[in-house]
Amino acid sequence: GAVVSQHPSWVICKSGTSVKIECRSLDFQATTMFWYRQFPKQSLMLMATSNEGSKATYEQGVEKDKFLINHASLTLSTLTVTSAHPEDSSFYICSARPGTSEGEQFFGPGTRLTVL
Amino acid sequence: QKEVEQDPGPLSVPEGAIVSLNCTYSNSAFQYFMWYRQYSRKGPELLMYTYSSGNKEDGRFTAQVDKSSKYISLFIRDSQPSDSATYLCAMRNQAGTALIFGKGTTLSVSS
Repeated sequence: GAVVSQHPSWVICKSGTSVKIECRSLDFQATTMFWYRQFPKQSLMLMATSNEGSKATYEQGVEKDKFLINHASLTLSTLTVTSAHPEDSSFYICSARPGTSEGEQFFGPGTRLTVL
Repeated sequence: QKEVEQDPGPLSVPEGAIVSLNCTYSNSAFQYFMWYRQYSRKGPELLMYTYSSGNKEDGRFTAQVDKSSKYISLFIRDSQPSDSATYLCAMRNQAGTALIFGKGTTLSVSS
């Protein structure tokens, strides 16, 4: 149990285009989902916390208008990178916390974004 | 001082060795402690989850939390080449808040 999927796993796009990444909890309901970014050989950096049915909470320094997060249901959150630029190239990982859990978070496999 | 400190390594051990990984932290309010394993270009996989102080054992893995010293450890017994990965400690203070991660320790187990 506790499986989180992400789609796509790898995307290459041109500079200036927008990319949507989906995060789904497959076998549990997640009231809270998190989006992280990870650069090579670096740890995970939290970008935003997403609660179902409400606006996401962004970490300091993360542009909310550039990284649009929608948590429309208890099993789906999306991250849209708008007007992507090469510096947005990174590994984006989501995680989800089961509604009954106080601590555990389960991570998706990640999405590698390359902006040309 | 960062909230969570973790030596990035790399740590290289022979197969069968006992591996000790650890993190220190500064926020005494942290209550939930986790260890994740991350293979290259994959998402982190939850290995161990501990609430408050104490030990927890699962197969070859043992997690220890010493809140008085603000120190957590992960021990891997009989290490295998398949254990070669980056190990991330993570922690947080109460339900609803996000995890704070260490930088991760890269482990290499040679056969």
